[in-house]
Amino acid sequence: DAGVTQSPTHLIKTRGQHVTLRCSPISGHKSVSWYQQVLGQGPQFIFQYYEKEERGRGNFPDRFSARQFPNYSSELNVNALLLGDSALYLCASSPRFSEQYFGPGTRLTVT
Amino acid sequence: ELKVEQNPLFLSMQEGKNYTIYCNYSTTSDRLYWYRQDPGKSLESLFVLLSNGAVKQEGRLMASLDTKARLSTLHITAAVHDLSATYFCAVDLGTGNQFYFGTGTSLTVIP
Repeated sequence: DAGVTQSPTHLIKTRGQHVTLRCSPISGHKSVSWYQQVLGQGPQFIFQYYEKEERGRGNFPDRFSARQFPNYSSELNVNALLLGDSALYLCASSPRFSEQYFGPGTRLTVT
Repeated sequence: ELKVEQNPLFLSMQEGKNYTIYCNYSTTSDRLYWYRQDPGKSLESLFVLLSNGAVKQEGRLMASLDTKARLSTLHITAAVHDLSATYFCAVDLGTGNQFYFGTGTSLTVIP
């Protein structure tokens, strides 16, 4: 079975630009969560979606937004990029509210 | 605000030795997860602990959960080089797939 997939793998953007990251959950999983992992730190929760509805939001500015599509895939959008947004962005999927399975991540570099 | 603290942050140990990593959290939860992360990689699920007193073992690793003390431990028995990685604990407050990760423990096993 295919695991969680994310695209792109790597991305380089300039300050002020916008970025869209994509995630496809494991087949049958309806919950998708997004995390930001800055180098040397633990992942920080950004958003959680279940059945296309936002179920939780972490302590991130409004520049961060997300959505979940009818096929349960998800997008994370970040506007007006800052240098501090450089991180590994992880997507995780779950059948419902239980163990999460993480994708390989998208490494975003903001210059 | 939920705080999840791990200690030690860095651990260097010789092959064959035993050691314990501690994970303390600041609020009530009976759902705790342990993950492993290799450099530049995503998170690999190790253990799912869903009740007070839960104990899980896999190979040289054993995890336990004491919800009353708000403490989980990851015990390493007879360490081998392949266990070198960063280990994270994560707490789920039960509101959904919104994990709060610890600071991580970087483990290096020396031959």
